[in-house]
Amino acid sequence: DSGVTQTPKHLITATGQRVTLRCSPRSGDLSVYWYQQSLDQGLQFLIQYYNGEERAKGNILERFSAQQFPDLHSELNLSSLELGDSALYFCASSVDGRLNEQFFGPGTRLTVL
Amino acid sequence: KNEVEQSPQNLTAQEGEFITINCSYSVGISALHWLQQHPGGGIVSLFMLSSGKKKHGRLIATINIQEKHSSLHITASHPRDSAVYICAVRFLNYGGSQGNLIFGKGTKLSVKP
Repeated sequence: DSGVTQTPKHLITATGQRVTLRCSPRSGDLSVYWYQQSLDQGLQFLIQYYNGEERAKGNILERFSAQQFPDLHSELNLSSLELGDSALYFCASSVDGRLNEQFFGPGTRLTVL
Repeated sequence: KNEVEQSPQNLTAQEGEFITINCSYSVGISALHWLQQHPGGGIVSLFMLSSGKKKHGRLIATINIQEKHSSLHITASHPRDSAVYICAVRFLNYGGSQGNLIFGKGTKLSVKP
């Protein structure tokens, strides 16, 4: 158990819908990262937050957004969902977002029908 | 172009065999991570390296910065080692952000009893 929690574990929804994925980092970690793992693209970095502020952006679509709250939990919002958004979404956390080990949550499996 | 290449893509071994998985990258990095992803999907961070060698139990990770190459070795392999092993790097030139990881496509290891 990495100490990072993600909810829900599974999510099935329809095209055009909007969903919110939630992540709670390990106690004491200030930085949260979101990753997408799809069958054709593999693991890809989406976005990073550090202590409530956006730190870095990767291959995140405009339909996706995220935020980190004062209690350091983070949410990833996916809207206008398409079939191709079906993937595993992982959250990871680290102490301060610099050269530290990242600890991964169990992931949320999103299926868009 | 920032690329991470892993080999082999698939690996089948007999229990007890010594296993090596390779990772090569294209340009300078600040850190390299080895991750393990179990069939259920969960990701575990095995090592983070910026130089030299690290050992944890039957796992050994090495990195050669000049050659831009890292290896993950598993000694006395066991069926419970069956998983996908993923190499991920932080490139020095990746937009100045410290946190972003670029992932290899993974090596699927199957250890037969």
